[in-house]
Amino acid sequence: ETGVTQSPTHLIKTRGQQVTLRCSSQSGHNTVSWYQQALGQGPQFIFQYYREEENGRGNFPPRFSGLQFPNYSSELNVNALELDDSALYLCASSIGPRTDTQYFGPGTRLTVL
Amino acid sequence: DAKTTQPTSMDCAEGRAANLPCNHSTISGNEYVYWYRQIHSQGPQYIIHGLKNNETNEMASLIITEDRKSSTLILPHATLRDTAVYYCIVRIPNYGGSQGNLIFGKGTKLSVKP
Repeated sequence: ETGVTQSPTHLIKTRGQQVTLRCSSQSGHNTVSWYQQALGQGPQFIFQYYREEENGRGNFPPRFSGLQFPNYSSELNVNALELDDSALYLCASSIGPRTDTQYFGPGTRLTVL
Repeated sequence: DAKTTQPTSMDCAEGRAANLPCNHSTISGNEYVYWYRQIHSQGPQYIIHGLKNNETNEMASLIITEDRKSSTLILPHATLRDTAVYYCIVRIPNYGGSQGNLIFGKGTKLSVKP
């Protein structure tokens, strides 16, 4: 158990819809990173939030957006869902952006039909 | 793209040592080797990391070759609960944002058998 929680556990949406995924970071951690993991692949970095600001982004389109709140919890929003967005979405928290260790939550499984 | 090469899968008998190899021939001088694992239906879990000296913690040992082009993660007494996908990652520590993110390959699926 890492102390990082994510909700919901599973989600089913249809193409074109919008989705919001949530992450609560481990106590004392002010940085949250989001990853997308397609079936059979390793996780891919989406973006990182530090002190409520985006602090780096991977190769994902603008319809992937996020927020971080004053309590350091975070949301991942995806607009105009596509079939290829079906994946496990993982968040990871860390003490700061420049830290050795990220602690991952269990993930949210998103299925787009 | 991931900078590491790992075998797709490996088997290990319960109670024996599991030795997981990783090639990182293009590693630069300031990049460390990190290992994470992902048990089915869970998020990745940090195991260990090192620069050039061998490292050991309560979970595993990391052996890095002198030229730093390859490394081996050793689980000294594998149990059934060690069945997971193991990822070897090279990364410059103390970088945030997109530079400091973890770049995962496909990893090695380790199956520990009774």
